[in-house]
Amino acid sequence: EPEVTQTPSHQVTQMGQEVILRCVPISNHLYFYWYRQILGQKVEFLVSFYNNEISEKSEIFDDQFSVERPDGSNFTLKIRSTKLEDSAMYFCASSRRTGDQETQYFGPGTRLLVL
Amino acid sequence: DQQVKQNSPSLSVQEGRISILNCDYTNSMFDYFLWYKKYPAEGPTFLISISSIKDKNEDGRFTVFLNKSAKHLSLHIVPSQPGDSAVYFCAASGTDKLIFGTGTRLQVFP
Repeated sequence: EPEVTQTPSHQVTQMGQEVILRCVPISNHLYFYWYRQILGQKVEFLVSFYNNEISEKSEIFDDQFSVERPDGSNFTLKIRSTKLEDSAMYFCASSRRTGDQETQYFGPGTRLLVL
Repeated sequence: DQQVKQNSPSLSVQEGRISILNCDYTNSMFDYFLWYKKYPAEGPTFLISISSIKDKNEDGRFTVFLNKSAKHLSLHIVPSQPGDSAVYFCAASGTDKLIFGTGTRLQVFP
């Protein structure tokens, strides 16, 4: 069964450093998402992406964040200058289409720790 | 922002009995609801969903009920199995993003 994959599974970085989190969505999916979960809190939406552009983003997704689909398979989240409060599990998700009652499938996550 | 709430942080059920997990929402624009199961250090795994035009959807041991007038949905697992022990999140969608509840930790004991 096709699944969303993410790399790395764990990332430790120093505050102020740039990190890139990578995702390979399910191959026939067209809509891509990033969510995060800070320890002990709920899963929060960050950004959705379709047709090579952001379709919606949350207040969390400020200028320090960017997303890209550099080729036909990868979808990346970049944090330009990490802060301590960026420490969280980051989940990528994908769906065949947006809204309209379409299920999003999640990857296993990348645990980011900012020191 | 508490648009989706799961008021029970935990639930303990004996194997073979029914587990009922509850979820309330406030935004009447939500038109699609999903339940995800999550193990520690893993991503949410899709379980079952329901459209706002229905009031029940069943898939094997899992049934989701939607009461639009009360803005309430519930997940029934019957019979419960030890492998069902996990955190269960409800999520709601009205656009292309999902709004998650805080989760309910289900423990199924023998």
